Amino acid sequence: DTEVTQTPKHLVMGMTNKKSLKCEQHMGHRAMYWYKQKAKKPPELMFVYSYEKLSINESVPSRFSPECPNSSLLNLHLHALQPEDSALYLCASSQLLALGRQFFGPGTRLTVL
Amino acid sequence: SQQGEEDPQALSIQEGENATMNCSYKTSINNLQWYRQNSGRGLVHLILIRSNEREKHSGRLRVTLDTSKKSSSLLITASRAADTASYFCATVESGGSNYKLTFGKGTLLTVNP
Repeated sequence: DTEVTQTPKHLVMGMTNKKSLKCEQHMGHRAMYWYKQKAKKPPELMFVYSYEKLSINESVPSRFSPECPNSSLLNLHLHALQPEDSALYLCASSQLLALGRQFFGPGTRLTVL
Repeated sequence: SQQGEEDPQALSIQEGENATMNCSYKTSINNLQWYRQNSGRGLVHLILIRSNEREKHSGRLRVTLDTSKKSSSLLITASRAADTASYFCATVESGGSNYKLTFGKGTLLTVNP
């Protein structure tokens, strides 16, 4: 299985809602990543987990809260988002942290009203 | 900050023609990778070239790397309509920031049937 899955595919939420994005991989990868991508822009790194521990937080606002319950799962908890947070959120994994190729999921299209 | 800068930003060709995209970067790198993204979807890894390599092939893809000029090119031969996508170069820096991919702005390739 060389696939990264993400749910939901689409999400619409109000600024007062709490929601979560989920990401799963069964390739035995020990590094997982969250990216944010605005339209016609490249992906921007948000968080990096290595061996289920948060390694990197790229100065992301606290309204985004990542969680790695186990080596296969990665969540992104959302609370009190702003309309400018509307974007495609991509999850990725790699065998180990850094250097190698990353496997990306299809993304969650988030719209904040 | 954006490490890679692709050129051109958009490219439109006929099926069967070759497509060449260029990428420039600023710092010392461990490797450079190319990814493809179909509209609104996840990224697909195409090829990785290490800093000590000059050229690499994969099917219809040919990638070159010139570390003295800090540039890379991606050539897609005998293009097909299915190659229509955005193409991103991504660098992994050597040294302290080797945990992250830094993406360029991307080239939007349109292959007309």
